[in-house]
Amino acid sequence: SQTIHQWPATLVQPVGSPLSLECTVEGTSNPNLYWYRQAAGRGLQLLFYSVGIGQISSEVPQNLSASRPQDRQFILSSKKLLLSDSGFYLCAWGRSGRAGGEQFFGPGTRLTVL
Amino acid sequence: QQQVKQSPQSLIVQKGGIPIINCAYENTAFDYFPWYQQFPGKGPALLIAIRPDVSEKKEGRFTISFNKSAKQFSLHIMDSQPGDSATYFCAAQGGSEKLVFGKGTKLTVNP
Repeated sequence: SQTIHQWPATLVQPVGSPLSLECTVEGTSNPNLYWYRQAAGRGLQLLFYSVGIGQISSEVPQNLSASRPQDRQFILSSKKLLLSDSGFYLCAWGRSGRAGGEQFFGPGTRLTVL
Repeated sequence: QQQVKQSPQSLIVQKGGIPIINCAYENTAFDYFPWYQQFPGKGPALLIAIRPDVSEKKEGRFTISFNKSAKQFSLHIMDSQPGDSATYFCAAQGGSEKLVFGKGTKLTVNP
């Protein structure tokens, strides 16, 4: 069966510090991978998605970036965090080659920028 | 055209009631319509999904009704329980790898 992991689970960072969130998927090959952000009490905002190693599509221009160094690893980064980067970050995976299909979410990382 | 409009924003029902959450879309290319359930502090979990070749799908106490001509779909929860209290998101997808989400409905089921 497939499993998706995110770490850390919670993170408190000062403004201006760097960020690295990691997501890994087990039990599947060549998944589509997604990063979402959810502000408190709000909906899901798609930040980045990837259909393969090194292939990143950005949905929202901001000070975040994403990378996919391995097939089942997706990393969200920032060089300098802003207060507005606080939120609940969710990684998700979906099966490749399907233009329309399920996405499965990880447990999330709660980021607080002070 | 890429939006999915979800209503109501919040909903309170008594145990045993049948909450109904509605979603509407414009993009006729959408051909997959999932519903997600999210508990506080957790990632959303896929609850049930439908494709436009059927008008209704049931899984346990959860039912999706789909009206292709009206471009609307809804989630019904039969015999709702306090454990169903969560935020529910509808979504739509078609022709790309991306899901378009509604803004969510916070459901509270009182004992």
